Amino acid sequence: AQKVTQAQTEISVVEKEDVTLDCVYETRDTTYYLFWYKQPPSGELVFLIRRNSFDEQNEISGRYSWNFQKSTSSFNFTITASQVVDSAVYFCALIKAAGNKLTFGGGTRVLVKP
Amino acid sequence: DAMVIQNPRYQVTQFGKPVTLSCSQTLNHNVMYWYQQKSSQAPKLLFHYYDKDFNNEADTPDNFQSRRPNTSFCFLDIRSPGLGDAAMYLCATSRGRTNGDEKLFFGSGTQLSVL
Repeated sequence: AQKVTQAQTEISVVEKEDVTLDCVYETRDTTYYLFWYKQPPSGELVFLIRRNSFDEQNEISGRYSWNFQKSTSSFNFTITASQVVDSAVYFCALIKAAGNKLTFGGGTRVLVKP
Repeated sequence: DAMVIQNPRYQVTQFGKPVTLSCSQTLNHNVMYWYQQKSSQAPKLLFHYYDKDFNNEADTPDNFQSRRPNTSFCFLDIRSPGLGDAAMYLCATSRGRTNGDEKLFFGSGTQLSVL
């Protein structure tokens, strides 16, 4: 069985601060994919980033960056220089290769204050 | 420009009165999903269609059914809504490549209230 855990339920920061969201996962599959989705108040889940289990190279994309550590089964996500528009619920998710079921973590609500 | 469209945005129904939620897509994707998301919780997969093949999750109540008459449309039918079925219902699509790295495209959801 797969499981995704986001220990932080809510994070509040002041604009321009960095925000790091933690994600820990469990899976017995050797090949899998990890995702981060953003859910603003409008409700739509918006795809942010994707990483496969064979690629532990960490990258930066604009103000987003992620840290994938297979040894600790963690896939943390950082927003640099946060903005009010970043206020949303962020979900970490996992899918096995050749699978169709995306397993979500419980989500972390981020509140960025001006 | 919306690629996954859900109607209506808000739906109110009465306890026990059948209700249908609709989803359409302009992406021509093979796979369509229905997720249930209760307040402050993660989305939970109810079922999905891979083309015409229906795949039900083991813990999805029989009260929930789905229809996919063509590639573009998918419906969620709740035969006898209970108070516990009040939730946001999210439709999503993906191309369905076998390697599983597909990102899902989500609609804005339908917020269902049961009175």
